[in-house]
Amino acid sequence: EPEVTQTPSHQVTQMGQEVILRCVPISNHLYFYWYRQILGQKVEFLVSFYNNEISEKSEIFDDQFSVERPDGSNFTLKIRSTKLEDSAMYFCASSDFGGNQPQHFGDGTRLSIL
Amino acid sequence: AQKVTQAQTEISVVEKEDVTLDCVYETRDTTYYLFWYKQPPSGELVFLIRRNSFDEQNEISGRYSWNFQKSTSSFNFTITASQVVDSAVYFCALSEGERSGNTPLVFGKGTRLSVIA
Repeated sequence: EPEVTQTPSHQVTQMGQEVILRCVPISNHLYFYWYRQILGQKVEFLVSFYNNEISEKSEIFDDQFSVERPDGSNFTLKIRSTKLEDSAMYFCASSDFGGNQPQHFGDGTRLSIL
Repeated sequence: AQKVTQAQTEISVVEKEDVTLDCVYETRDTTYYLFWYKQPPSGELVFLIRRNSFDEQNEISGRYSWNFQKSTSSFNFTITASQVVDSAVYFCALSEGERSGNTPLVFGKGTRLSVIA
């Protein structure tokens, strides 16, 4: 069964450094998302992406964050200057077109900021 | 604004017991979608079910069943004859359906289910 893949599974970064989280969505899906989950808390929406542009973003997704689809398969989340509070599990998801089709999630990238 | 409440933070049951996980939602939309996801100890999020607001039929899939009641804004999830492998955090989620295209999921805080052998 097709799945969303995320790399790396764990990223440790010094505060202030830039980090790029990578995702390969399911190949025929058109909508892409990033969510985050701070340890022990609920999953929170960051941004959605369709047709090569951001379609919606939350208050969390400030100027330090950006997303890109650099080629036909990858979808990346960049955090420009990481802060301690960016430590979380970051999930990528993708969904098919229309009718709020289920979002299928990757296994997540655990980001630890030191 | 949309909101999902999972009042049960943690539940512990003995294997083979039935268990119901509660989910109450708030939305002003007449068209919306409800979801359940499972997060096992390994951390991934596994899609379980999607329901739209016009379909109030209950659904059964093996040992899992879901009860959707618009009158009480609830979408409860029951596991029959629980097994140790059911131990996980279960999230209820909501997305609006009034506009076309993709809409974000709003998650509840999750219920941690522990099934003891």
